[in-house]
Amino acid sequence: GAGVSQSPSNKVTEKGKDVELRCDPISGHTALYWYRQSLGQGLEFLIYFQGNSAPDKSGLPSDRFSAERTGGSVSTLTIQRTQQEDSAVYLCASSPSPGAGTGELFFGEGSRLTVL
Amino acid sequence: QQQVKQSPQSLIVQKGGISIINCAYENTAFDYFPWYQQFPGKGPALLIAIRPDVSEKKEGRFTISFNKSAKQFSLHIMDSQPGDSATYFCAARDTGRRALTFGSGTRLQVQP
Repeated sequence: GAGVSQSPSNKVTEKGKDVELRCDPISGHTALYWYRQSLGQGLEFLIYFQGNSAPDKSGLPSDRFSAERTGGSVSTLTIQRTQQEDSAVYLCASSPSPGAGTGELFFGEGSRLTVL
Repeated sequence: QQQVKQSPQSLIVQKGGISIINCAYENTAFDYFPWYQQFPGKGPALLIAIRPDVSEKKEGRFTISFNKSAKQFSLHIMDSQPGDSATYFCAARDTGRRALTFGSGTRLQVQP
């Protein structure tokens, strides 16, 4: 596709359930990022994938959060045993390989997660 | 430290006025300072960016001013328009880490 695609756009779940959020980056982009945006807050870094390198997981808030990237393309963010404080918009972004562009991140429209 | 501090949290400007948003940082390893614009329901999009070897960059009505010694940078929107109403985020990236660190955002409202 032309841009970063995220699904679902909206997800309502009950506390304690697991959720999976999907990101399809721009074709050819080797870097993929997940950020979290809570209501009225800034963007909180979660995890970064670059090619086949080990991901930078330094932003994951707890071990309930995990992410994988298959085949260097699609990524899935999984939140286990969801809590109400996990409610937020989860944004995915991609960018060309380092040195191949300006460093611009291209964001999707996000997946809005509501935990009841 | 990775933190980037942004102010004000919200800003109301009359059409035709100048909007100014400020950011400050501590990490001297930051080497790239972009500003992103976000409309409701959309993801942020790059607006303008600067590297620390220049003190100012202008693109149309948007200007970044950068003060390396003070570790501060700001976004100026000249002749602000109602279509500029959005949330603006400053960000920074250090040489050893590819992910951007974002400020907390400024919600700009330009009144007609």
